[in-house]
Amino acid sequence: DTGVSQNPRHKITKRGQNVTFRCDPISEHNRLYWYRQTLGQGPEFLTYFQNEAQLEKSRLLSDRFSAERPKGSFSTLEIQRTEQGDSAMYLCASPLSGAFNEQFFGPGTRLTVL
Amino acid sequence: AQKITQTQPGMFVQEKEAVTLDCTYDTSDQSYGLFWYKQPSSGEMIFLIYQGSYDEQNATEGRYSLNFQKARKSANLVISASQLGDSAMYFCAIPRDTGRRALTFGSGTRLQVQP
Repeated sequence: DTGVSQNPRHKITKRGQNVTFRCDPISEHNRLYWYRQTLGQGPEFLTYFQNEAQLEKSRLLSDRFSAERPKGSFSTLEIQRTEQGDSAMYLCASPLSGAFNEQFFGPGTRLTVL
Repeated sequence: AQKITQTQPGMFVQEKEAVTLDCTYDTSDQSYGLFWYKQPSSGEMIFLIYQGSYDEQNATEGRYSLNFQKARKSANLVISASQLGDSAMYFCAIPRDTGRRALTFGSGTRLQVQP
């Protein structure tokens, strides 16, 4: 257990529905990352928060995706109008301060879009 | 942009033997680090080992060691005395050069340890 929690662990939804995932990072970690991992691939960066500020978004984060970290603690990732191509594992990670500290990953939310 | 290449999609090793998982990288950073993570079938990403580019000695963590060859831009993971529980996906990763330090991962190597 890394101390990073994610909910739900699994989500099955129908195409076109909205879904929201939550990540609770380690409390003293002010940086938070979201990644997406599709089958057979390594995780790919989606977005980055420092405290409550969203400082970077990758090109993978289409307009249907939005992420928030309202009080600099937990974070949510919402996908609107889900598509089958959104089916993936969504991972949240938080590192200690510093340039090269390990990122502690949560267990992930596995999304299946039918 | 950073790039990680893992050329071995799958590897087999006999229990108790050592195995080397390959990783090559490309980066424009002068100072960087290399990470290895393990992902069992349950899905969680487990940190194994890290080495900074200016570290002179290869990193070791228990049965894991990094064979870091900066001139060749390779950072291979060596697992000694393989155990059945080592069967998993293994990912090499490097921080992106945007300053935000998100990780760029390779495509992974699936290791299967045989009894």
